[in-house]
Amino acid sequence: AQRVTQPEKLLSVFKGAPVELKCNYSYSGSPELFWYVQYSRQRLQLLLRHISRESIKGFTADLNKGETSFHLKKPFAQEEDSAMYYCALGPLDSNYQLIWGAGTKLIIKP
Amino acid sequence: EADIYQTPRYLVIGTGKKITLECSQTMGHDKMYWYQQDPGMELHLIHYSYGVNSTEKGDLSSESTVSRIRTEHFPLTLESARPSHTSQYLCASSDIGQGVDEQFFGPGTRLTVL
Repeated sequence: AQRVTQPEKLLSVFKGAPVELKCNYSYSGSPELFWYVQYSRQRLQLLLRHISRESIKGFTADLNKGETSFHLKKPFAQEEDSAMYYCALGPLDSNYQLIWGAGTKLIIKP
Repeated sequence: EADIYQTPRYLVIGTGKKITLECSQTMGHDKMYWYQQDPGMELHLIHYSYGVNSTEKGDLSSESTVSRIRTEHFPLTLESARPSHTSQYLCASSDIGQGVDEQFFGPGTRLTVL
């Protein structure tokens, strides 16, 4: 079954500390993977996708097919990074629909 | 300005009422989606559409129905609301391209059925 797991519902780190939000997926084919973010009182929006290989707002995510993971990382957290983060899988044989993780709430402490 | 609009933003209604949640987009996108999201949980796709006169059910069984008569408009209707329908409903749209496209989300409708 296709599934996305975000093991941490809540992650709290101090400002300036490194951040890693975990995402594991279950899918036998070649996936497209995404991180979406929802800041307080704002809409859900795309943060980054693995095929673009970009760093957005200092965040990066590397697809590890061996470990079926797509962890989101930032070396130095900032207070404005506090938000809900969702990992999503786009299996290419499923009419391009997204399968979502339950999300991780990231709190950056001053 | 290109955007996705959802109305109402909040709705409290009694059991048995018929309700329609509105979603409109000026993004020029062909694909539109309805998701249901309970607090602290993942998004579940309940309906999607590739374009006018195209509607499909998503992976979450839902008693709602949708229509797509115009490209920009994708309303969701509950014929008889029940307390189990209490949730947040998110509308999204995307372009049709190669692979899985970025989805753009509306602000959501928070529905409470008493």
